[in-house]
Amino acid sequence: QVQLQQSGTELVKPASSVKISCKASGYTFTSNYMHWIRQQPGNGLEWIGWIYPGNGNTKYNQKFDGKATLTADKSSSTAYMQLSSLTSEDSAVYFCARPGGYSPFDYWGQGVMVTVSS
Amino acid sequence: DVVMTQTPVSLPVSLGGQASISCRSSQSLVHSNGNTYLHWYLQKPGQSPQLLIYRVSNRFSGVPDRFSGSGSGTDFTLKISRVEPEDLGDYYCLQSTHFPYTFGAGTKLELK
Repeated sequence: QVQLQQSGTELVKPASSVKISCKASGYTFTSNYMHWIRQQPGNGLEWIGWIYPGNGNTKYNQKFDGKATLTADKSSSTAYMQLSSLTSEDSAVYFCARPGGYSPFDYWGQGVMVTVSS
Repeated sequence: DVVMTQTPVSLPVSLGGQASISCRSSQSLVHSNGNTYLHWYLQKPGQSPQLLIYRVSNRFSGVPDRFSGSGSGTDFTLKISRVEPEDLGDYYCLQSTHFPYTFGAGTKLELK
């Protein structure tokens, strides 16, 4: 069955960077888009962008240009998102999700909480 | 960006009752291919969102027929009949017709 296993909680300092991961299993990693979504505390959901692991192509929400960088490692079936120049506004839960023929986000990871604090 | 206006923000319901959530988009969600990419998700407390309805009115695998979606163009509705305890949580509409994909702000379904 499809599984998206995300890395653990991160506590990071302002102005630093963080890289979170999403390990995929149960399907062909290189043949499906991987999306990333942000949920700030008490807020709704925002789409950050997608990566196509088969060729590394990416598409970003312009709002996250320069903030998020999406990469993928085909050998380990793992997608990554690096967030840079962190501020308190970046404190949020970040989800990876992939389509399954129905919507863009048929399958979701469990989410990673990133807290930016000095 | 397409703005998704979701109402109400909070929806108190009684178990066994009915709920209706509205989602309106700032522009038509009809894609050039003729499909309408409007979807509904439920996020239960402490969990990731889960797909309920895809492309306006299609129930995802395992979703009970108490859930129904309807609408067209810019105006969409999710209805839940005979509300059960496991239906409580935050409901979101999503449009994936236009980039960037955008969500509604959410509706909290809670007990009256």
